[in-house]
Amino acid sequence: EVQLVESGGGLVKPGESLRLSCVASGFTFSPYGMNWVRQAPGKGLEWVSYIDTIGSGYIYYADSVKGRFTISRDDAKNSLYLQLNSLRAEDTAVYYCARKQITGTTVGAFDVWGQGTLVTVSS
Amino acid sequence: QLVLTQSPSASASLGASVKLTCTLTSGHTNYAIAWHQQQPEKGPRFLMKINSDGSHTKGDGIPDRFSGSSSGAERYLTISSLQSEDEADYYCQTWGTGIRVFGGGTKLTVL
Repeated sequence: EVQLVESGGGLVKPGESLRLSCVASGFTFSPYGMNWVRQAPGKGLEWVSYIDTIGSGYIYYADSVKGRFTISRDDAKNSLYLQLNSLRAEDTAVYYCARKQITGTTVGAFDVWGQGTLVTVSS
Repeated sequence: QLVLTQSPSASASLGASVKLTCTLTSGHTNYAIAWHQQQPEKGPRFLMKINSDGSHTKGDGIPDRFSGSSSGAERYLTISSLQSEDEADYYCQTWGTGIRVFGGGTKLTVL
């Protein structure tokens, strides 16, 4: 079964850091570009970051997190990561990892989603 | 600027059909989009990708009741023979170099 499982969420104070993980199973991880998407309580989906395959080096961030969040991957561990630094109350959300369809480019539909991990930033 | 517009809500009766709309901004009317379903308290699920010519490819296990189409700047998701489990939020998504965009979502109520 194709699956993405996120972990690492929790309650942190403003200014603190957190590292989220997403473990993939049921498919060969390395050829896929991967994304992080978040959803604030009661709100819609917001794309956060994208990382392409290891060889390409393409990484993109939404303006709202640029300079504070860092995406990375470890293909040997079938894992995607998101390092969240300088957290703010407005970063409170469920964070999902999502796989991009293989298209031969850095763009495409998200075709597999995880179940999400909740990050709460509050003093 | 690449923006997707969706109506906030829609409703239809059990067993009926409903057509949800996602509108691309001017200048991006040839973009493909994807539709995702999010049932209450669950993560999103990929339904299908729709190209500007209306051709579409569905995700694994998506029932035939779900279909897609396109006209100009609009991309559609049609759900026929509505079932109670179709009550969910539906998001469209598109992409460009360095950016991925979601519509605001449509909350579908099955009456």
